[in-house]
Amino acid sequence: DGGITQSPKYLFRKEGQNVTLSCEQNLNHDAMYWYRQDPGQGLRLIYYSQIVNDFQKGDIAEGYSVSREKKESFPLTVTSAQKNPTAFYLCASSTNNPWYGYTFGSGTRLTVV
Amino acid sequence: DQQVKQNSPSLSVQEGRISILNCDYTNSMFDYFLWYKKYPAEGPTFLISISSIKDKNEDGRFTVFLNKSAKHLSLHIVPSQPGDSAVYFCAASSLGGGGADGLTFGKGTHLIIQP
Repeated sequence: DGGITQSPKYLFRKEGQNVTLSCEQNLNHDAMYWYRQDPGQGLRLIYYSQIVNDFQKGDIAEGYSVSREKKESFPLTVTSAQKNPTAFYLCASSTNNPWYGYTFGSGTRLTVV
Repeated sequence: DQQVKQNSPSLSVQEGRISILNCDYTNSMFDYFLWYKKYPAEGPTFLISISSIKDKNEDGRFTVFLNKSAKHLSLHIVPSQPGDSAVYFCAASSLGGGGADGLTFGKGTHLIIQP
């Protein structure tokens, strides 16, 4: 079955450490996205990529980095510069026709301890 | 400044009745709107969408209405079922800008269907 997989589901990080969240899709989608969800907040865009080897900052990119070396993969690194990293992170992908919306992964909950 | 607003954090509706979820937007460049449904600890799932050339789109029990002059859209669920209990996000994009530069989401409305 085609889909989008995020791992791990839960992640704990010590303050000052970098951590990488994985996102893989086998839907042959060109575009991929990272969103962050905080309690009482909507989904806020961190980074997006429309094509391999290219990506753009979203609304809240500070303290995050991404890479897009393969069409299927769009990992997100939460760096120590991110002041408030505890959140629920969602990865999504889409075709160039947005009529059908995005396909989201099941999310990774990151907690800084 | 929020460009997509869902002013009701929660909504309680009796099973079998109509659920109406509202969404307002401020960016006049938005021309494509979607609704997503989200259960706890899961990713959102796409529900229904509408482009600005239409004022209504229907899919089974779900209908989305768009009022461009008021910059308002609403999602109607008829009849409401227990499985509809979830958080509903309204999202918007500008297809004129390619559409693949990310959706702008509202904060969500938690719909609770009561038996």
